[in-house]
Amino acid sequence: DGGITQSPKYLFRKEGQNVTLSCEQNLNHDAMYWYRQDPGQGLRLIYYSQIVNDFQKGDIAEGYSVSREKKESFPLTVTSAQKNPTAFYLCASSRRQGGKSPLHFGNGTRLTVT
Amino acid sequence: QKEVEQDPGPLSVPEGAIVSLNCTYSNSAFQYFMWYRQYSRKGPELLMYTYSSGNKEDGRFTAQVDKSSKYISLFIRDSQPSDSATDLCAMSPTDQNQAGTALIFGKGTTLSVSS
Repeated sequence: DGGITQSPKYLFRKEGQNVTLSCEQNLNHDAMYWYRQDPGQGLRLIYYSQIVNDFQKGDIAEGYSVSREKKESFPLTVTSAQKNPTAFYLCASSRRQGGKSPLHFGNGTRLTVT
Repeated sequence: QKEVEQDPGPLSVPEGAIVSLNCTYSNSAFQYFMWYRQYSRKGPELLMYTYSSGNKEDGRFTAQVDKSSKYISLFIRDSQPSDSATDLCAMSPTDQNQAGTALIFGKGTTLSVSS
């Protein structure tokens, strides 16, 4: 079955450590996205990528970094510069960038930083 | 004013009720409108997808878009306990493959259907 796999489901880190969240898709989609979800805040876009080796900042990119070396993979690194990293992180993909292509989401990684 | 406004609820209804969920928006360029459903500790799943104004029906669900009022709605008929989830509206300005066309989400409305 095609889909998006995010791992791990739960992640715990100490403050000051960088952490990388994995996202893999086998849908052959061109575009991939990272969203952050906080209670009462909805989904906020962190980064997105339209093609391999290219990505753009979303609304809340500060303290995050990404790479897109392969079409299937779009890992997100939460750096120590991110002031409030504890959140639910969602990866998504679409056939192409733009509103006509609905997003397909993974089941998220819940990151807790203490 | 936020780009997309959605009442977070929570909304509690008995099984079989008709539910109406709504979102308002400020950007008149939005053309693609979607509703996603998110169960607890899961990723959102696409529920309904509409383009421009008008109605779209799929089983128990009807999505309405009124671009003149910048208002979209999702109607759920014969609500079931399995509808207990958070429904999020989402919208995008164009289909063009360019920066700035990622989906903008509402905060989601939490629905609880009791049997």
